[in-house]
Amino acid sequence: KAGVTQTPRYLIKTRGQQVTLSCSPISGHRSVSWYQQTPGQGLQFLFEYFSETQRNKGNFPGRFSGRQFSNSRSEMNVSTLELGDSALYLCASSPTAANTEAFFGQGTRLTVV
Amino acid sequence: TQLLEQSPQFLSIQEGENLTVYCNSSSVFSSLQWYRQEPGEGPVLLVTVVTGGEVKKLKRLTFQFGDARKDSSLHITAAQPGDTGLYLCAGSNFGNEKLTFGTGTRLTIIP
Repeated sequence: KAGVTQTPRYLIKTRGQQVTLSCSPISGHRSVSWYQQTPGQGLQFLFEYFSETQRNKGNFPGRFSGRQFSNSRSEMNVSTLELGDSALYLCASSPTAANTEAFFGQGTRLTVV
Repeated sequence: TQLLEQSPQFLSIQEGENLTVYCNSSSVFSSLQWYRQEPGEGPVLLVTVVTGGEVKKLKRLTFQFGDARKDSSLHITAAQPGDTGLYLCAGSNFGNEKLTFGTGTRLTIIP
């Protein structure tokens, strides 16, 4: 069974631009979560989707948004990029609605210059 | 806001030594997981504990969930260089479908 796939792996963007990251969960997993990881803040929860509905949202500004499609694939979008948005963005899928165990992708390394 | 504090933040020991990493919170969690993350990769799930006082073993790794389900520990026996990585604990609660991650312990095993 294929794992969680995130694309692209690396991305360099300029301040003010917007970016879209993609995540394909493990087949059969309907819960997808997104996290931002930085050296200073650790792993911070962004949002979680289940069956195309956002069930939980972390403490991030409205510039961060996401969605989930009917095939469980998910995208997250960051608009008006800031230098502080540089981070590793991780997507995780879970086999149950309770989301008690997460299976992570390799992440997308975003650098904002 | 639920917080998980891990200690120590950094740990560097010789191959063959034993070590314990702690994960503490003032909040109760329904379940707690431990992950290991290597550079450039996503975290990999090691174990899930759900019952207060539960102990689980994974080869040389022993995980314990506190009786009150507020804390957990990870003990590694005879550490090997392959154990090097960032160890993260994460807690979750029923009805709240998100994981709260700990601050992490960066472990280095010196050959």
